[in-house]
Amino acid sequence: ETGVTQSPTHLIKTRGQQVTLRCSSQSGHNTVSWYQQALGQGPQFIFQYYREEENGRGNFPPRFSGLQFPNYSSELNVNALELDDSALYLCASSSAEDTQYFGPGTRLTVL
Amino acid sequence: SQQGEEDPQALSIQEGENATMNCSYKTSINNLQWYRQNSGRGLVHLILIRSNEREKHSGRLRVTLDTSKKSSSLLITASRAADTASYFCATDGWGAQKLVFGQGTRLTINP
Repeated sequence: ETGVTQSPTHLIKTRGQQVTLRCSSQSGHNTVSWYQQALGQGPQFIFQYYREEENGRGNFPPRFSGLQFPNYSSELNVNALELDDSALYLCASSSAEDTQYFGPGTRLTVL
Repeated sequence: SQQGEEDPQALSIQEGENATMNCSYKTSINNLQWYRQNSGRGLVHLILIRSNEREKHSGRLRVTLDTSKKSSSLLITASRAADTASYFCATDGWGAQKLVFGQGTRLTINP
């Protein structure tokens, strides 16, 4: 167990809806990164938050947004859901060291 | 876009045999990490090797890194059924904590 938790475990939404995914980082970690993993693919970097500020973003549209709170937990919000947003969403926490520790993921299905 | 490419895409061996997976990447890196993923769950960190290191061991795992060839290999010795999983290499560049993953190798250990 990494100490990184995510909620919910599974989620089913319909096209056009909005979704919020949550991540609690490991104790002592001030950085949270979010990844999207489509079926059969490797994870793709969405964005990273460091001390409540966005610290890098991958090739995802603005309808993917995030927040980091003072306790370093984080949210990923996706607006106007599309079918292709169906994926496993992973968050990872880290500190000044390089290793990122991943949570169990949230499986999002968009119908 | 994927930075790394794992080879082979799938590998099936008998329990007790050694498993070797390879990873190639495209740009200069700060370090390279290997992760394991069981059945679409979260990623488990296995080992990190820095760009100035050539070989690293952890239990039954041996990782090599050749920065001149932009490649790495992961060797699992004396494989067990519990090693059945997908294995991913991930790289990060200088000044960036985001990880760039390959598409993974699906390893099956047959009893």
